[in-house]
Amino acid sequence: GQQLNQSPQSMFIQEGEDVSMNCTSSSIFNTWLWYKQEPGEGPVLLIALYKAGELTSNGRLTAQFGITRKDSFLNISASIPSDVGIYFCAGRQANAGGTSYGKLTFGQGTILTVHP
Amino acid sequence: DSGVTQTPKHLITATGQRVTLRCSPRSGDLSVYWYQQSLDQGLQFLIQYYNGEERAKGNILERFSAQQFPDLHSELNLSSLELGDSALYFCASSPPVTDRVFVLANTGELFFGEGSRLTVL
Repeated sequence: GQQLNQSPQSMFIQEGEDVSMNCTSSSIFNTWLWYKQEPGEGPVLLIALYKAGELTSNGRLTAQFGITRKDSFLNISASIPSDVGIYFCAGRQANAGGTSYGKLTFGQGTILTVHP
Repeated sequence: DSGVTQTPKHLITATGQRVTLRCSPRSGDLSVYWYQQSLDQGLQFLIQYYNGEERAKGNILERFSAQQFPDLHSELNLSSLELGDSALYFCASSPPVTDRVFVLANTGELFFGEGSRLTVL
């Protein structure tokens, strides 16, 4: 099945530092999504990307859809303690319709710890 | 609050038992998805329903089944439970699109509930 390689697996950073994480795939995706999950909660959508090369920001978060359509990255600038959580990338295949509609493949997650 | 409601939040049961997890999607959403999250497995897609019909199947065990009812709520049934079934089970919903719209304007955002934590002892 689809595999998404997300890295790094975990990060321990100081408050104020910038963070970068990425996902790569062996297959082409037509949608890349980034989610954040906090303890005891479900994943919450942060950023959605729909076009190759697209660069989108949401506050201190910036994400890009790779031009090969096989990768995406997420940057967090000037991290703060509430950025702590697990960040997941998710991608959906490029074929429209059929039984793959809506099926997202998730990366394994990046656990972010921010020290004050 | 995503608008997706899952019950129960926590469930503890014994091996061999059967449980039912329930999900109410966001108002107006026709698609419901079920995901399993184990400590070492990330988010694994189980199954998707669209307006009452099964649309896609992932790595769902034969001991598990799901359905979506006419009022669009969904249930995930887990039977003959094993220790390894202990996990968080998430339901998610997404806005309705027709297949034609899907081709033209592919969105794909999922909105997740808070999950049901199943512990099998």
